[in-house]
Amino acid sequence: AQSVAQPEDQVNVAEGNPLTVKCTYSVSGNPYLFWYVQYPNRGLQFLLKYITGDNLVKGSYGFEAEFNKSQTSFHLKKPSALVSDSALYFCAVRLNRDDKIIFGKGTRLHILP
Amino acid sequence: SQTIHQWPATLVQPVGSPLSLECTVEGTSNPNLYWYRQAAGRGLQLLFYSVGIGQISSEVPQNLSASRPQDRQFILSSKKLLLSDSGFYLCAWSVQGGTDTQYFGPGTRLTVL
Repeated sequence: AQSVAQPEDQVNVAEGNPLTVKCTYSVSGNPYLFWYVQYPNRGLQFLLKYITGDNLVKGSYGFEAEFNKSQTSFHLKKPSALVSDSALYFCAVRLNRDDKIIFGKGTRLHILP
Repeated sequence: SQTIHQWPATLVQPVGSPLSLECTVEGTSNPNLYWYRQAAGRGLQLLFYSVGIGQISSEVPQNLSASRPQDRQFILSSKKLLLSDSGFYLCAWSVQGGTDTQYFGPGTRLTVL
């Protein structure tokens, strides 16, 4: 069965430092991978997605993610964290012939000033 | 451009009362539509999805139902609310038949007392 895992409930990073939020997946076939961000009491906002092509995907707000097929991972990264990046981040996976998305349980990112 | 609306934004209801949450999408035709519930600010649970008018798929058997009376309108209902129905309800849409991203509404915070 397809699944997506975010192994960290919370990640703390000092402002200005690089950040990584981890995501691994398990699917049969070619996965479509997504990252979303959620601010308190708000809906999810789309950050970026990987469908095919270049393994490094650039998205909104300076975020990027690297697709690694051998490690079945899709980690979210940013070179220099901002306090305003503090939020809940969701990784998601979708099969190429399915209209549904499976979401990870979320990782809370705290950027410390 | 496309926009998605949800109302009400917040709702406090007594146990045993009925529920109706509405979601509408503007700027697109024949979208896929989704209802999710998010408990305790973490993971998303897919409740229902629809690929067309009158076509509803239920993911989790429960106290809730969904309807799609118009192409861009998706309604979540209950005849009698339970305490466990409390949560943050999110509606989302995507382009039908592809690998496209899901876009989320602002959500409805439901508290059942």
